[in-house]
Amino acid sequence: QLQLQESGPGLVKPSETLSLTCTVSGGSISSSSYYWDWIRQPPGKGLEWIGSIYYSGSTHYNPSLTSRVTISVDTPMNQFSLKLSSVTAADTAVYYCARRALVVAATGYYYYMDVWGKGTAVTVSS
Amino acid sequence: DIQMTQSPSSLSASVGDRVTITCRASQTISSYLNWYQQRPGKAPKLLIYAASSLQSGVPSRFSGSGSGTDFTLTISSLQPEDFATYFCQQSYSTPYTFGQGTKLEIK
Repeated sequence: QLQLQESGPGLVKPSETLSLTCTVSGGSISSSSYYWDWIRQPPGKGLEWIGSIYYSGSTHYNPSLTSRVTISVDTPMNQFSLKLSSVTAADTAVYYCARRALVVAATGYYYYMDVWGKGTAVTVSS
Repeated sequence: DIQMTQSPSSLSASVGDRVTITCRASQTISSYLNWYQQRPGKAPKLLIYAASSLQSGVPSRFSGSGSGTDFTLTISSLQPEDFATYFCQQSYSTPYTFGQGTKLEIK
């Protein structure tokens, strides 16, 4: 059974770079059927899609964060990572990694996040 | 960005009730709509994808419908474990966006 586990510092200082890693177990990150996403949830708020990566290294970012975000993949380690630079208190959130699956139907190509990590809380504070 | 608006924001109901949650997109998204359940302190869990397809392992009391801009999630007979927050999410175009959530509480 595929599992995802986020890891990284729980406390980051303002203006520094937040770095998180998602380790994939029970399956290969190099599968052609999946993308690998980062999503975050500020305390008591809704969900925000940060961006995604394909095993080939192709990335898509949320335009609201694109100037500060880098997502990378390490296929031998079966991991993908998130870096968010110049953080402020507004970046305080639970950060989730997720697998985004693709199903091809007669009516179109449908994506959905079917496996999620448990999430890791990151606080930005001095 | 496509804005997703859910209603209501919160809902009180009893075990056994039939409940419907609505999600509206700011532009047409065909059937590119997913629903997730989130229990307190837990990660979201996929319930429905492509507007009406039930994810494997999800009880059949959950169903989804709609196309275009208006979508619904229905729980036919509420069970104690269904009291949680529900989010819709569009997968029509990036950036993928979520509704603000509907918190389902016990009456």
